[in-house]
Amino acid sequence: QQQVKQSPQSLIVQKGGIPIINCAYENTAFDYFPWYQQFPGKGPALLIAIRPDVSEKKEGRFTISFNKSAKQFSLHIMDSQPGDSATYFCAAGSGSNYQLIWGAGTKLIIKP
Amino acid sequence: ETGVTQTPRHLVMGMTNKKSLKCEQHLGHNAMYWYKQSAKKPLELMFVYNFKEQTENNSVPSRFSPECPNSSHLFLHLHTLQPEDSALYLCASSPSIGGWAQPQHFGDGTRLSIL
Repeated sequence: QQQVKQSPQSLIVQKGGIPIINCAYENTAFDYFPWYQQFPGKGPALLIAIRPDVSEKKEGRFTISFNKSAKQFSLHIMDSQPGDSATYFCAAGSGSNYQLIWGAGTKLIIKP
Repeated sequence: ETGVTQTPRHLVMGMTNKKSLKCEQHLGHNAMYWYKQSAKKPLELMFVYNFKEQTENNSVPSRFSPECPNSSHLFLHLHTLQPEDSALYLCASSPSIGGWAQPQHFGDGTRLSIL
């Protein structure tokens, strides 16, 4: 119940395409769903986060879609660029439990 | 200097050595975390400190010993490690602990290799 399942493990997209990374969770107590971006040699950095009371959140070219009934959420990157090539992690947490439960990561490559 | 700084960036040690990892945050946060990152696996939370008090120890072997002298500094003391302990060790901090209002900020990690 504490797992967050992330897919795909790796993804290659042409520049300008829309990569989509999916995550699924079981614990309905989760109320905080962040996405982190990690470049080689760097630590993860918070990209965007969503609460379950909204179905979509956009920040620049990054969009989170949230489906509460399906217990799934996904990250879309519009007009993807080679500079978006990185590993992306989804996570889930709740106010009552500070521990974030992490997905296993998706290595994204954007081809020029 | 800003953000979360970890030293050293790389460490190679034998199984019988004793070494320490250091983390320092300049964000004024009160919570600090140690994570282990292994390839193709979720981040593993090891320890959590909130206002210098340890609040979480996720069944971490005793060969890893954390120390938090103040809210800005966190250490991970290493002793008699095993080859499977080779990984990237990440430090993070947040304003406090718990969910939405407490995003975690990460350092760039220490790449640890056990010979």
